[in-house]
Amino acid sequence: GQSLEQPSEVTAVEGAIVQINCTYQTSGFYGLSWYQQHDGGAPTFLSYNALDGLEETGRFSSFLSRSDSYGYLLLQELQMKDSASYFCAAHTGFQKLVFGTGTRLLVSP
Amino acid sequence: GAVVSQHPSWVICKSGTSVKIECRSLDFQATTMFWYRQFPKQSLMLMATSNEGSKATYEQGVEKDKFLINHASLTLSTLTVTSAHPEDSSFYICSAREDPGYEQYFGPGTRLTVT
Repeated sequence: GQSLEQPSEVTAVEGAIVQINCTYQTSGFYGLSWYQQHDGGAPTFLSYNALDGLEETGRFSSFLSRSDSYGYLLLQELQMKDSASYFCAAHTGFQKLVFGTGTRLLVSP
Repeated sequence: GAVVSQHPSWVICKSGTSVKIECRSLDFQATTMFWYRQFPKQSLMLMATSNEGSKATYEQGVEKDKFLINHASLTLSTLTVTSAHPEDSSFYICSAREDPGYEQYFGPGTRLTVT
């Protein structure tokens, strides 16, 4: 089977740093993407890792370790607007995405 | 760029009727389109993959006769939920990608409520 596990919920305060982990087990793996989704909205793309290591995009960074089947999303200088659900998604064969279980991030003042 | 639209944004229908949802890529040619379903507080589950001019490929457990997908052009895919039942009530989201990119661009979603 294919599965991507994430913590269900993470809480933090404004200005803090938070890390959302993702462990995966997939048949066929070409990379890991991260998406943000606000309630009632569409997923929006945050980052993509095809190779091991850290990718930085502004306040967001994403890390991948293929040998450990593990990745994480790091959010820095948290803002209230970052309160949302975050999903990791594995790129598998035929350009498909398999989404993780999702992590709800709650940022408080 | 890379905008995907969906229509309608929400729809309410009676049990037993059919509903069509459109997904359009507005500023690029979508080589492949994907349809997902998302129940409240759950993740996105891929229903099917469609390539322009080809039959859709459905994921295991998705009834292809119930969820009809047509990818008629490089900018339009439709999902028809036939003989809808209350358990089909969900958030349906499409995405599209353009060769040779890896990124999928998501539509805003369609909330279907079957009464």
